[in-house]
Amino acid sequence: KAGVTQTPRYLIKTRGQQVTLSCSPISGHRSVSWYQQTPGQGLQFLFEYFSETQRNKGNFPGRFSGRQFSNSRSEMNVSTLELGDSALYLCASSRTGNEQYFGPGTRLTVT
Amino acid sequence: AQSVTQPDIHITVSEGASLELRCNYSYGATPYLFWYVQSPGQGLQLLLKYFSGDTLVQGIKGFEAEFKRSQSSFNLRKPSVHWSDAAEYFCAVEMNRDDKIIFGKGTRLHILP
Repeated sequence: KAGVTQTPRYLIKTRGQQVTLSCSPISGHRSVSWYQQTPGQGLQFLFEYFSETQRNKGNFPGRFSGRQFSNSRSEMNVSTLELGDSALYLCASSRTGNEQYFGPGTRLTVT
Repeated sequence: AQSVTQPDIHITVSEGASLELRCNYSYGATPYLFWYVQSPGQGLQLLLKYFSGDTLVQGIKGFEAEFKRSQSSFNLRKPSVHWSDAAEYFCAVEMNRDDKIIFGKGTRLHILP
């Protein structure tokens, strides 16, 4: 069974731009969660989608948004990028929400 | 607010020695508990989980964890570490079913040859 895939793996953007990251979950998994990982803050929960609906949300500004499609694939978007948005963005899928399986992440660098 | 604490940021052990990584949570009821491992440049891999039942949980790669309700702890153990165990380890909790999962700050494990 294929694992969670994230594209792109690496991304360099300029401050003020926007970016879209993609996550394809494991087949049959309906829950997709997104996390931001930085050396200072560790793993911080962004949001979770389950069957195309946002089920949980972390404490991030509205510049961070996401969506989930009918095939469970998910995208997250960050608008008006700031230097502090540089991080590893991890996606995790699950059948129900817990016991998550993580992708390799997208390394975003904002210059 | 609910929280997860991993008191040790770094731990160094010799290859072949035993290991215990600490995890404490703050919550009134018994949450769902997890341990994940992250190798450099990789995503996280689930080592083991506790939902209910036997408080000693066996996981992959020879790891085990024990849930102690009285201490609100879920410590990870391994009797004999291997150089390949060098990685960062994260404890995580889910307070209620379908709730978000909260991760600790992580413990980086270093192995001495």
